[in-house]
Amino acid sequence: GNSVTQMEGPVTLSEEAFLTINCTYTATGYPSLFWYVQYPGEGLQLLLKATKADDKGSNKGFEATYRKETTSFHLEKGSVQVSDSAVYFCALRGGYNKLIFGAGTRLAVHP
Amino acid sequence: NAGVTQTPKFRVLKTGQSMTLLCAQDMNHEYMYWYRQDPGMGLRLIHYSVGEGTTAKGEVPDGYNVSRLKKQNFLLGLESAAPSQTSVYFCASSYDSRRAEKLFFGSGTQLSVL
Repeated sequence: GNSVTQMEGPVTLSEEAFLTINCTYTATGYPSLFWYVQYPGEGLQLLLKATKADDKGSNKGFEATYRKETTSFHLEKGSVQVSDSAVYFCALRGGYNKLIFGAGTRLAVHP
Repeated sequence: NAGVTQTPKFRVLKTGQSMTLLCAQDMNHEYMYWYRQDPGMGLRLIHYSVGEGTTAKGEVPDGYNVSRLKKQNFLLGLESAAPSQTSVYFCASSYDSRRAEKLFFGSGTQLSVL
């Protein structure tokens, strides 16, 4: 079946450091892929998405490229800020627009 | 802009009690979902609905029931709560499945079953 695997957290970085959060998936075909972010005490918000192989999603300085050859969708940001501290979820789209989520990766950024 | 509204935000139940969580969306979305979030397990789909009057089971449906009598509302019921149902519950909605539509999430309900 479809599944998503994310690197375990927490990830702790200093401000302005480079961020990578790994995400790999198992699926039949080529599903759309998403990164959602959850700030403390809030629901999830869409951060970026990619709908086909080699697409790059980007938003707020974050990027992720849909790599079908490695079945990956790693999240990157060149310079993180304290305000980026949150939990990040990788997800793939199943039938009826259901999302299948990874376990989430907590990011803590310190000044 | 209300978006997706969940009530209540917090609830404590005793084992065996029942309760209903309400989700309301004002975006005229067709699809609605109930997820539960547990540490280290991400979000898991409980039930979903593809339109008024329809419901379907997700990944972890046991112990829950749902109803979608009105398009804007999606109710999640626990008939006899168990400690294993202690979790944070999120409702979400999306327009349809023809495109890779993003899901809009509510702010969650923290449920503790003692």
